[in-house]
Amino acid sequence: NAGVTQTPKFQVLKTGQSMTLQCAQDMNHNSMYWYRQDPGMGLRLIYYSASEGTTDKGEVPNGYNVSRLNKREFSLRLESAAPSQTSVYFCASSERTGFDEQYFGPGTRLTVT
Amino acid sequence: QKEVEQNSGPLSVPEGAIASLNCTYSDRGSQSFFWYRQYSGKSPELIMSIYSNGDKEDGRFTAQLNKASQYVSLLIRDSQPSDSATYLCAVNIGGYQKVTFGIGTKLQVIP
Repeated sequence: NAGVTQTPKFQVLKTGQSMTLQCAQDMNHNSMYWYRQDPGMGLRLIYYSASEGTTDKGEVPNGYNVSRLNKREFSLRLESAAPSQTSVYFCASSERTGFDEQYFGPGTRLTVT
Repeated sequence: QKEVEQNSGPLSVPEGAIASLNCTYSDRGSQSFFWYRQYSGKSPELIMSIYSNGDKEDGRFTAQLNKASQYVSLLIRDSQPSDSATYLCAVNIGGYQKVTFGIGTKLQVIP
């Protein structure tokens, strides 16, 4: 039982490059989330998916797109990376959106130069 | 006013003491409250959740919720150096399908 897994763990991109962050959970949770964490800013929600087939914007969605591929997998795509997207990205999952405990993946440390 | 407020710290306590971490929130309709611990360079891990007014105990940890005053706190008894971490408060802002996190309080337990 791996919980929530994320790939890659580290990534360096040049401005304008694109990439996809992958997330998978094996807890049969309905809801999945993508956060970014920056010093002094705390965790900020980028996008979430309340159930398979649905996605919604969070607090900071600009510059990102997401896909809920199936119940297990939720990916985050940066189409044209910018230095402002340098951050640590966490994926999380929960049984229900907003009410239940969230379980986090190990994170991806992204640097955009 | 921020939706979820925490003092960023650091909060320093001697080993063996009680650490008290506080969190206030803006929305009276909030129903779910969570405490997470995050070690430097690691992901947040759930300590406990609380949904009703009063205290909830789990080992050395006690969460306290007061909905009338809109605050939730976490007490850590017999603090250990291994408790040194950042503690995140998270609150379901009422009516919204999401949980909002505070910026976290850094706790330092001094041996």
